[in-house]
Amino acid sequence: DTEVTQTPKHLVMGMTNKKSLKCEQHMGHRAMYWYKQKAKKPPELMFVYSYEKLSINESVPSRFSPECPNSSLLNLHLHALQPEDSALYLCASSQGPWRGGQPQHFGDGTRLSIL
Amino acid sequence: GQQVMQIPQYQHVQEGEDFTTYCNSSTTLSNIQWYKQRPGGHPVFLIQLVKSGEVKKQKRLTFQFGEAKKNSSLHITATQTTDVGTYFCAGPGQAGTALIFGKGTTLSVSS
Repeated sequence: DTEVTQTPKHLVMGMTNKKSLKCEQHMGHRAMYWYKQKAKKPPELMFVYSYEKLSINESVPSRFSPECPNSSLLNLHLHALQPEDSALYLCASSQGPWRGGQPQHFGDGTRLSIL
Repeated sequence: GQQVMQIPQYQHVQEGEDFTTYCNSSTTLSNIQWYKQRPGGHPVFLIQLVKSGEVKKQKRLTFQFGEAKKNSSLHITATQTTDVGTYFCAGPGQAGTALIFGKGTTLSVSS
């Protein structure tokens, strides 16, 4: 059982839709991450939150908008996505600060398809 | 820029054979981590190595961190079908980024 919970597990949306991905952890971890993963590729970092503040934005297009309402929750708001945005979106958390490369616990991910 | 390279990209073995994947960084790492991702699954943290020359074992898996802290290896003895998946190494990024993942080695095992 994963300790990082992501919803929904699957999402199909049109290019004009607005949707949100949700991530929750109750391990008391202080850093949370969003990754995008294409088939047969490694996870690609998108955003990092540390103590509920955005620490890293890896030049992600503005159609992806992260939000961290509290230390346990992380959202990714999606708007006007493109077909190339279809991928597995992974949330992760780490106990310590993101600097220095802390071991990360991943959720099951959301498989996103853009029509 | 900083790179973490892994070889081989793919490896197929017969059940019972050994398997090794190698990871090389373009820079010295403070630590290196290994993750396993089963087909259709998510990355699962396996281990973190911190010390130069460190060797750690988890049952049939042996992890090594090089003396110069720029390379690492994962060796699986007597593979089983449950070992199938992609193994990623990852190290801390420089210049304000978090983890840098290698491209992964995908292991398939036939019985």
